[in-house]
Amino acid sequence: DSGVTQTPKHLITATGQRVTLRCSPRSGDLSVYWYQQSLDQGLQFLIQYYNGEERAKGNILERFSAQQFPDLHSELNLSSLELGDSALYFCASSSPLDTLNTEAFFGQGTRLTVV
Amino acid sequence: AQSVTQPDIHITVSEGASLELRCNYSYGATPYLFWYVQSPGQGLQLLLKYFSGDTLVQGIKGFEAEFKRSQSSFNLRKPSVHWSDAAEYFCAVGAGNTGNQFYFGTGTSLTVIP
Repeated sequence: DSGVTQTPKHLITATGQRVTLRCSPRSGDLSVYWYQQSLDQGLQFLIQYYNGEERAKGNILERFSAQQFPDLHSELNLSSLELGDSALYFCASSSPLDTLNTEAFFGQGTRLTVV
Repeated sequence: AQSVTQPDIHITVSEGASLELRCNYSYGATPYLFWYVQSPGQGLQLLLKYFSGDTLVQGIKGFEAEFKRSQSSFNLRKPSVHWSDAAEYFCAVGAGNTGNQFYFGTGTSLTVIP
């Protein structure tokens, strides 16, 4: 158990809909990362938050947004869903930036199926 | 720019045989290097990591990796593969100067033949 919790584990929704994925990082971790894993694209970095603020952006679509709340949990919002958004969405967390010896701890992922 | 290359998309080995998964990175400073393993339908689990010091690092499940700065490589090895090692393996580099970013390779899928 990595200590990172993602809910829900599975999500099936229709095209055009909006969903919210939730992530609770490991206790004490200030950084949260979101990744999308699909068969044809591999593991794609979407966005990173650090202590409530956006830190880095990757290949995140404009239809997607995220935020990190004061209690450090994070949500990834996906809207106007398309079939191609079907993927595994992972959240990871890591310890504070000033701790050099750090690593990313991954949750079990949310499998999103858009039908 | 930071990047990680795993040149082997898929590798098949016989159980009991040795294994080496290749990883090359591009990074301007001293890298933080990681190997993760992903079993089907699961999240990524850290196998081992390199930050500094001894360039040969030991990880869990009998894996080891060697950092070679001159070759910008961090190859993963195991002397004797078990059927349970069949999984997807990801190499990653951590870039502290850009806010603890983790850059992942595209992964190598390992099949183990009984």
